[in-house]
Amino acid sequence: AQKITQTQPGMFVQEKEAVTLDCTYDTSDQSYGLFWYKQPSSGEMIFLIYQGSYDEQNATEGRYSLNFQKARKSANLVISASQLGDSAMYFCAMRAKGGKLIFGQGTELSVKP
Amino acid sequence: GAVVSQHPSRVICKSGTSVKIECRSLDFQATTMFWYRQFPKQSLMLMATSNEGSKATYEQGVEKDKFLINHASLTLSTLTVTSAHPEDSSFYICSASFQNTEAFFGQGTRLTVV
Repeated sequence: AQKITQTQPGMFVQEKEAVTLDCTYDTSDQSYGLFWYKQPSSGEMIFLIYQGSYDEQNATEGRYSLNFQKARKSANLVISASQLGDSAMYFCAMRAKGGKLIFGQGTELSVKP
Repeated sequence: GAVVSQHPSRVICKSGTSVKIECRSLDFQATTMFWYRQFPKQSLMLMATSNEGSKATYEQGVEKDKFLINHASLTLSTLTVTSAHPEDSSFYICSASFQNTEAFFGQGTRLTVV
């Protein structure tokens, strides 16, 4: 069975600093996709970044980068130069068979001014 | 990017009534859509997979007679919460995949049953 684990229920970071949100996964599939989503208090799910299992380079999207360590089955999200607007819930997810997403428990990030 | 629109964003209904939530893919055809449920401070849990032109596939523990899903066209899936009760109060959100890449989510619906 596929599983996503986020072990940090809450994280604090100072504005303008970088922060790493942890995500580990478990799957027996050779081909898989990993996602990170941001969910502000409004509830919408905002796509941040995607990493395919066969991608040789770590994915980057602006201030977001994904530290993909396949052997360790980890896909940590790094947010550089944190902004107050980054305060939100962050979910790591894996695409399972049929296209559905399996989500981790989420990490609530708070950015301090 | 692709857009998924969900309506309504908020709904309050009386216990015992039914509520219909719509999920539309605005600029692409979605043969498959997904319905998730989220309780406060918790993760998204998949309820069912909605397949265009066929019956939905429900996850274990989800009552298919209570949560009716209809996917009548390639751009519309609906979730109807029948005979709603206060414990059905939750955040419901749909998603659709485009070309097997990222999943696009609707805005979500906050259901409150009083």
